[in-house]
Amino acid sequence: NAGVTQTPKFQVLKTGQSMTLQCAQDMNHNSMYWYRQDPGMGLRLIYYSASEGTTDKGEVPNGYNVSRLNKREFSLRLESAAPSQTSVYFCASSDLQASYEQYFGPGTRLTVT
Amino acid sequence: SQQGEEDPQALSIQEGENATMNCSYKTSINNLQWYRQNSGRGLVHLILIRSNEREKHSGRLRVTLDTSKKSSSLLITASRAADTASYFCATDPTTSGTYKYIFGTGTRLKVLA
Repeated sequence: NAGVTQTPKFQVLKTGQSMTLQCAQDMNHNSMYWYRQDPGMGLRLIYYSASEGTTDKGEVPNGYNVSRLNKREFSLRLESAAPSQTSVYFCASSDLQASYEQYFGPGTRLTVT
Repeated sequence: SQQGEEDPQALSIQEGENATMNCSYKTSINNLQWYRQNSGRGLVHLILIRSNEREKHSGRLRVTLDTSKKSSSLLITASRAADTASYFCATDPTTSGTYKYIFGTGTRLKVLA
């Protein structure tokens, strides 16, 4: 039981490049989330998916798109990376029917030069 | 915008002492959670307290919630070196739906052996 997995662990992009961050969970959770964490700050919600087939914007969605591919997978895409998107990205999942606890992945450290 | 603000930003104590950190928030909430983050890792859920609860215990953790003051505190008793981490509160504002948790900026706790 791996919990929440994220790939890649580290990534360096040049300004304007695109990439997709992958997230998968094996806990059969309905809800999934993408956060970013900048130095000295808490996590800020980028997008979330309450259930398979639905996605919605969080606090800082600009510059990002998401896809809830199936119940297990929730990907985050940067179409044209900018230095302001340098951050650590965390994916999380939860089963809101059971509890509000969120389970987090190990994070992806992204640097945009 | 940050809903939760932790205080203090950083705390350094000796092993065996108690550690208290506080979280203040701005709007009415459904519940409040505390998470721990070890350096470079994802967040781990510690405890949830609902808006109609005033105090909750889990092992060496004690959480209080004062909705009239819009504040919560996390007490870690008999701290250990392994408690060294950052601690975040996360609130679920009543106006945002049950998915958009807002994280505070965190308290960095260092427990000296």
